[in-house]
Amino acid sequence: SQQGEEDPQALSIQEGENATMNCSYKTSINNLQWYRQNSGRGLVHLILIRSNEREKHSGRLRVTLDTSKKSSSLLITASRAADTASYFCATDPEQLSGTYKYIFGTGTRLKVLA
Amino acid sequence: NAGVTQTPKFRVLKTGQSMTLLCAQDMNHEYMYWYRQDPGMGLRLIHYSVGEGTTAKGEVPDGYNVSRLKKQNFLLGLESAAPSQTSVYFCASSYGRSNQPQHFGDGTRLSIL
Repeated sequence: SQQGEEDPQALSIQEGENATMNCSYKTSINNLQWYRQNSGRGLVHLILIRSNEREKHSGRLRVTLDTSKKSSSLLITASRAADTASYFCATDPEQLSGTYKYIFGTGTRLKVLA
Repeated sequence: NAGVTQTPKFRVLKTGQSMTLLCAQDMNHEYMYWYRQDPGMGLRLIHYSVGEGTTAKGEVPDGYNVSRLKKQNFLLGLESAAPSQTSVYFCASSYGRSNQPQHFGDGTRLSIL
């Protein structure tokens, strides 16, 4: 089963509103990353948060990590139509350190209406 | 500033045909990866490489082979294509293994009839 599960699967909001997406995972991790994928394009890295960090910011993005609940959230503030995309979390499981095993979730499809 | 380039962008094959997907990166990254993306499945790792001349199996390696003869190139081969291999294939690269973002190409859309 997937290590990272995003919630909700789809989200539709008005321009200017905030968008929140969540990612849950099953095992301890070294870090967690968030990616964006525009339609027909590859994934673009947004932010990486390490297991000893609780919150990180990058522009309009805010990521939190709660290792006790094995969950992370991505908040996009003051959304724009250009934020319309799919968002994926990717986890680096601690138990698999030393091998490559980043595990991607199935993504949240965000639609920002102008 | 090309980043990761995948060729071809689209391809239609008949069952049993073979083909090679090419990935090239110009960032001098050591690590390279091949994923497939299917609806509702997220990204699944096929094979990866931690350096020139090395390859390793990922989550779904069956039916695929890879080669990394040059550091900047990572080739994915399908020896005998099957309809189940219809997918979008993404190549990615990263500077290292830990705490490093991956840089993705724009994908190859492959249909097997």
